This record gives sequence, structure tokens and C-alpha cells, in this order.
Amino acid sequence: AQRVTQPEKLLSVFKGAPVELKCNYSYSGSPELFWYVQYSRQRLQLLLRHISRESIKGFTADLNKGETSFHLKKPFAQEEDSAMYYCALRKGGTGTASKLTFGTGTRLQVTL
Amino acid sequence: DVKVTQSSRYLVKRTGEKVFLECVQDMDHENMFWYRQDPGLGLRLIYFSYDVKMKEKGDIPEGYSVSREKKERFSLILESASTNQTSMYLCASSLEGGPGEKLFFGSGTQLSVL
Repeated sequence: AQRVTQPEKLLSVFKGAPVELKCNYSYSGSPELFWYVQYSRQRLQLLLRHISRESIKGFTADLNKGETSFHLKKPFAQEEDSAMYYCALRKGGTGTASKLTFGTGTRLQVTL
Repeated sequence: DVKVTQSSRYLVKRTGEKVFLECVQDMDHENMFWYRQDPGLGLRLIYFSYDVKMKEKGDIPEGYSVSREKKERFSLILESASTNQTSMYLCASSLEGGPGEKLFFGSGTQLSVL
């Protein structure tokens, strides 16, 4: 069975400090991973996906198959980064609807 | 921009009531999903639908059913509400399945079962 683990419920960092939100997964197939974010009073939205190899709002995430990890990183935290972050693993082949398995989430708190 | 609309932001129901949660999307998306979001448990998939009248169980379907009579509308039904179904319910939709599939979420319905 697939599983996504986010070991930290809360991560508190100072503004300007580096951020790393941890995500580990277990899955027997070829993994496809995402980070979703929920800002205060906003709906959950996609932040980035490993398949796109993109950087969004200064965040990056690299899929490490050896360590089965997909940690989210940002070199310098900003106040507006404070939010709930969910790591998600997609199960499903081409053309089929995603069955995303989400982690339990990490709340990032950026303080001055 | 894609709009996923959930009909109620807050609902309070009594144990044993039949409850309907409605979700509508306006971008002709093929796939629609119902998740529940609980503190410390993250999001868990209840049901999803990949076409009109088609549905598939997610990870926690017990106590729930769904209906998709039209492409744009996906309803979650609690046949007999129980207190352990008190939760935030999130609806989502996506254009089509496949690598990199992006889900668009509604703003959620906070259901309290008393």
C-alpha cells in the first residue's frame, strides 16, 4: 500500500531562514509526487509537482528515489509562506483519474 | 480560472439524518473527487468519479455514497449521519487523468453532526 509521511506537524522558522518540509513515501510503482498548499482562509491549491521540475514562489522539491523522499525547500522564508503544506502521491496510470494519497500535513510558521 | 463550488460552508445535522453535500465545477472537468480533511490525518479520499454515472471507491467509503448525474455536479451523501463523520469535506475536480494531473479544490464544507 502507498503511504506518505510528513514527520513534522509544525515547523517554525524565522524570516529569511532556509525552509525544508520533509516528505517520505512508500510505493511499489513509479512514484508521482506533488506539494499542495493551503493559505489561511484560502482553498487548497497545487504548489508544484515533481514531473514539471519547476520552482514556484521560490520553492523547489527533488524526487530522491533512493531515499524515497520529496522534501520541499526554499532558501529564504517569507512571512507569506506561512501555510499548511501537504505532500501527495499519485496512484494511477495514464488516462485514469488520480487517486492521490496525502500526508498528514505540516504547518509552516514564519516569524519575524 | 476553474471554479469548484461547494453549496454550503457550514452545516449542522443531527445523528441519523440523511445529508447531501453538493459540488459543482464550471470547467467541463472529467474527474471529480470527495475528500475529508481532519487535523492530524490529512486528506483522505472518500469517492471519486471519472465520468457521468461512473464512480469508484476511495480509501474510506464506508457510510458514504455519491451521485454524478451530470458532468458538472458531484454529490456526496451520508445515508445516516454519525458523529464520527463530523469533518471538513473538500470537493475537487481535474480535467483528465494522467501524469501531472492537477486537482482544483472547493473551499470546503464544515459538517458538524450532533
